[in-house]
Amino acid sequence: GIQVEQSPPDLILQEGANSTLRCNFSDSVNNLQWFHQNPWGQLINLFYIPSGTKQNGRLSATTVATERYSLLYISSSQTTDSGVYFCAVIKAAGNKLTFGGGTRVLVKP
Amino acid sequence: DAGVTQSPTHLIKTRGQHVTLRCSPISGHKSVSWYQQVLGQGPQFIFQYYEKEERGRGNFPDRFSARQFPNYSSELNVNALLLGDSALYLCASSLVGYGETQYFGPGTRLLVL
Repeated sequence: GIQVEQSPPDLILQEGANSTLRCNFSDSVNNLQWFHQNPWGQLINLFYIPSGTKQNGRLSATTVATERYSLLYISSSQTTDSGVYFCAVIKAAGNKLTFGGGTRVLVKP
Repeated sequence: DAGVTQSPTHLIKTRGQHVTLRCSPISGHKSVSWYQQVLGQGPQFIFQYYEKEERGRGNFPDRFSARQFPNYSSELNVNALLLGDSALYLCASSLVGYGETQYFGPGTRLLVL
C-alpha cells in the first residue's frame, strides 16, 4: 500500500513563531488532506490539496504531486494551534484515506 | 447544516462483549467510512460503504462488521471485544467516496477492560 511519512514527529514553538510541516507519500494520489486533531480527538479539515497551493488565514499548504510531497505552513503560531497535524492521502483510483504518523505541535505562550 | 454525528461519545465494555457504534453523515453525502485510531497513531481504515454496499475493507478481523442504511447512516459492530480494540473510532462522510474531501465526526472512545 501507499506509504505516508510526516516530519518532524514533534515540534515545540514559541508563540508567534513560524513553522513548516512536511508530508511525503510513495505513490500517485487523487486526494491529499491536512487535518488538525484537537485534544478531544476531533479531526478538523484544514485543506483538501491534491496539488497546488492554498491559503486560509495563518495557514497555507502546498502540494507538489509530481515530487510526491506536501508542506503545511503555520505562521505567527498561537497556543490554539497546539495539537496533532495529520496528512492523509488517497492513492489514484483508491477510496481509503491513508494517514501519516502525525506531527505533534506544542505552542508555548 | 449539521456535520457528521456519532454516538455514543464514550463507551466502556469488558472483554468478550459486543459493541455497536453509530454514524450519521452530512446531509446529501452517500458514502461513510470507518477508521480506528489507537493512542499515539494515525487513524487506520476499517470500512467504506456507498449506497449500502461495502466498497472497501481494511486489514481488520472478521469480528468487525458494518452496514449502511437507506438513509445513509451507518453502524460499526465489533464482536468478542479484545483489550486491543480500545481506541477512538472515527466516522467519515463524503459525497461519493472517490477522491473528494472526507469530513470526520467527533468519534466514539471505546475502552475495553
